Amino acid sequence: AQSVTQPDIHITVSEGASLELRCNYSYGATPYLFWYVQSPGQGLQLLLKYFSGDTLVQGIKGFEAEFKRSQSSFNLRKPSVHWSDAAEYFCAVRDTGRRALTFGSGTRLQVQP
Amino acid sequence: DGGITQSPKYLFRKEGQNVTLSCEQNLNHDAMYWYRQDPGQGLRLIYYSQIVNDFQKGDIAEGYSVSREKKESFPLTVTSAQKNPTAFYLCASGRGGVYEQYFGPGTRLTVT
Repeated sequence: AQSVTQPDIHITVSEGASLELRCNYSYGATPYLFWYVQSPGQGLQLLLKYFSGDTLVQGIKGFEAEFKRSQSSFNLRKPSVHWSDAAEYFCAVRDTGRRALTFGSGTRLQVQP
Repeated sequence: DGGITQSPKYLFRKEGQNVTLSCEQNLNHDAMYWYRQDPGQGLRLIYYSQIVNDFQKGDIAEGYSVSREKKESFPLTVTSAQKNPTAFYLCASGRGGVYEQYFGPGTRLTVT
């Protein structure tokens, strides 16, 4: 079965600093990967997705992610973090059998002024 | 304005009572999903439906039931058999297959 690991439970960065959130997946074939963001008490918003092709994908709000098959990773990056980016971030992989998503446990991002 | 609506946003129930959470979408999506979110555990799949009148159990279906009589609607009933029902419940929809899912705003259920 597919699985997703987000090693960092909580990350704090300063406003204007760069950001990288880690995501590792377990899956035999080419995975379909997603990053979502959740503000407190809200639903999840899709940031970006990878299905195939170019391994560097661009998303909304200035985020990008890079798919690295050799490392089974799909890390999320942003060159300059804004205070409004403070939220929880979830990586997910599509479960081919059930066609649902399997989520990581999330990384909570705090932004210091 | 297309989207997914969940109601109510907050729900309080006494132990032993069944409660139904509403989920409606006007995105014309075939697939709909229910997830449960607990602090530090990410999202866990309760039930999913790829087409009307058909649904499957997810990873934590015990104590829950669903129906899919209309394409737009996928209500979730939390029964008295669910041992720890207090949680944040998220509904999602999608075109199915490889495509992404879109989420509603969630319902926070508190059972005392």
